[in-house]
Amino acid sequence: SQQGEEDPQALSIQEGENATMNCSYKTSINNLQWYRQNSGRGLVHLILIRSNEREKHSGRLRVTLDTSKKSSSLLITASRAADTASYFCARDYGGSQGNLIFGKGTKLSVKP
Amino acid sequence: NAGVTQTPKFQVLKTGQSMTLQCAQDMNHNSMYWYRQDPGMGLRLIYYSASEGTTDKGEVPNGYNVSRLNKREFSLRLESAAPSQTSVYFCASESWGAGEETQYFGPGTRLLVL
Repeated sequence: SQQGEEDPQALSIQEGENATMNCSYKTSINNLQWYRQNSGRGLVHLILIRSNEREKHSGRLRVTLDTSKKSSSLLITASRAADTASYFCARDYGGSQGNLIFGKGTKLSVKP
Repeated sequence: NAGVTQTPKFQVLKTGQSMTLQCAQDMNHNSMYWYRQDPGMGLRLIYYSASEGTTDKGEVPNGYNVSRLNKREFSLRLESAAPSQTSVYFCASESWGAGEETQYFGPGTRLLVL
């Protein structure tokens, strides 16, 4: 499979704590994206990081990319109950424009 | 703007029946995609359309056909449904430009094939 792999598969934390999710992949990328999926809903784009970037921030989100290790991490700081969702990394297909390969996701539960 | 809409929300089929899943976007995007999501798996690409009038196979195209009817609409057809096609189907459209490639997803269609 060409899918990336997230770990952990599931993460349970208390409100206010930080949550870190990791994503590994096997082949070179142009960019890597993170998406969130609330239960029973479609995916929502969070952030995109390009292969020549090492870190990117968006509000309480911080994404890092290490192309030498073929890995990325998503950090959510000061988590809230509303952050409870599944988080997926997606890398570009390397072929056709826009085609993404999604990982299996990390299920985050933030307890109030 | 409604974004990406999908119909129906739920569907139950018997093995061998056919159906078409509808998708429409009102964001004037060129690219559109169909994915399936199975428990414990990420999304897998079934078909995509880079622009009006073109369609191409993704990772798991067998058993499906698609039509890019116009720029707004991209439908997915199951000609003879099989239990292995029980899944949640998501349509997405993509924005390119301003350096940010973003896919916008519909709410999904839950399909059960008996």
